[in-house]
Amino acid sequence: GDSVTQMEGPVTLSEEAFLTINCTYTATGYPSLFWYVQYPGEGLQLLLKATKADDKGSNKGFEATYRKETTSFHLEKGSVQVSDSAVYFCALHSGNTPLVFGKGTRLSVIA
Amino acid sequence: DAMVIQNPRYQVTQFGKPVTLSCSQTLNHNVMYWYQQKSSQAPKLLFHYYDKDFNNEADTPDNFQSRRPNTSFCFLDIRSPGLGDAAMYLCATSRDLGEGGGYTFGSGTRLTVV
Repeated sequence: GDSVTQMEGPVTLSEEAFLTINCTYTATGYPSLFWYVQYPGEGLQLLLKATKADDKGSNKGFEATYRKETTSFHLEKGSVQVSDSAVYFCALHSGNTPLVFGKGTRLSVIA
Repeated sequence: DAMVIQNPRYQVTQFGKPVTLSCSQTLNHNVMYWYQQKSSQAPKLLFHYYDKDFNNEADTPDNFQSRRPNTSFCFLDIRSPGLGDAAMYLCATSRDLGEGGGYTFGSGTRLTVV
């Protein structure tokens, strides 16, 4: 079945550092890809998405590009802030199937 | 604000004692999902409802049941909780199937089994 593999956390960065969280996927067909974020004490919420190859999703300074050739959807941000501290989940779905999530990567940003 | 509410936030239950977790939504979404999330693991889909149509994942244990009496409410029943059922349970909704970017999640219920 479909699956998502994320880099293991936790990731600890200083403020203004560059962030990359790797995500690769296995899927039949052509999935849509997502990054969800979970801030402390809150539910998961959509951060960005891409629905076809070479699409770039972006939001709040975060970006991820749908790379079909490498089956990847890595999350990047040029300069992280303390307020970005959260757990980040890579996810996919194909057609009408429910979302399949990766394990999540906890990011801690220190001032 | 339209939202998804899960009650309670924290639930402690005894080994083998039935427990019910609840989820309500004000979004009027057609689809409601229950995910189980154990520490450092991916959220795992247990089942989902499309309107009244129930869809059980093949590997969801029989110990887990669900009810959706109306559009707004969905319940997760664990008939005989074991220690391995301790987890965070996430409820989510979407307007339709295939809207992976349109899920709205509740804050979750953390279940402890003693």
